[in-house]
Amino acid sequence: KAGVTQTPRYLIKTRGQQVTLSCSPISGHRSVSWYQQTPGQGLQFLFEYFSETQRNKGNFPGRFSGRQFSNSRSEMNVSTLELGDSALYLCASSLTSGTTGELFFGEGSRLTVL
Amino acid sequence: DAKTTQPPSMDCAEGRAANLPCNHSTISGNEYVYWYRQIHSQGPQYIIHGLKNNETNEMASLIITEDRKSSTLILPHATLRDTAVYYCIVKPSNAGNMLTFGGGTRLMVKP
Repeated sequence: KAGVTQTPRYLIKTRGQQVTLSCSPISGHRSVSWYQQTPGQGLQFLFEYFSETQRNKGNFPGRFSGRQFSNSRSEMNVSTLELGDSALYLCASSLTSGTTGELFFGEGSRLTVL
Repeated sequence: DAKTTQPPSMDCAEGRAANLPCNHSTISGNEYVYWYRQIHSQGPQYIIHGLKNNETNEMASLIITEDRKSSTLILPHATLRDTAVYYCIVKPSNAGNMLTFGGGTRLMVKP
């Protein structure tokens, strides 16, 4: 079956702009999580959505937001982009939330902020 | 959440077993041990997880000490494709899918 699909794979923005990233989970998966990966901070949890509700949120400013649709697809948005937002943004899906299920990660969206 | 400590890097000869240690001395009773790996430029890949019993699947074995303060991931016959960063993560069962990644161990499998 198809894996987690993230679009776009690469994008370049300038400071002050906003960006929306999309994630299509594996069919049947209801949980979608987002992570940011940078060389300095490593992999950091952004937020998790399950059945259209935000379940957990990491320690990121309010410029970072997300949502999940009824078909479990998810989007995350970053407003007023800063240079430090340049990162690989990874989406992961799972059948459920809060149990011991494994996460399936996509290949990420690489954002460069100039 | 309990924190984990892993060596920053390790080498392993191709065909030999790779034993990756992880210390999680502050682990709580409801926290599971997870292992993920990330091959360059790809998203992390789930390997295995356990609570207190040793676990084995087609990819690896997870050995957890009786006091649960440390664990070892074993790749029985390492190949060049196993070269990756390996992350040991401790997660409470009530934390949803929020994983706290540390620095991991960069495993280099050499011919």
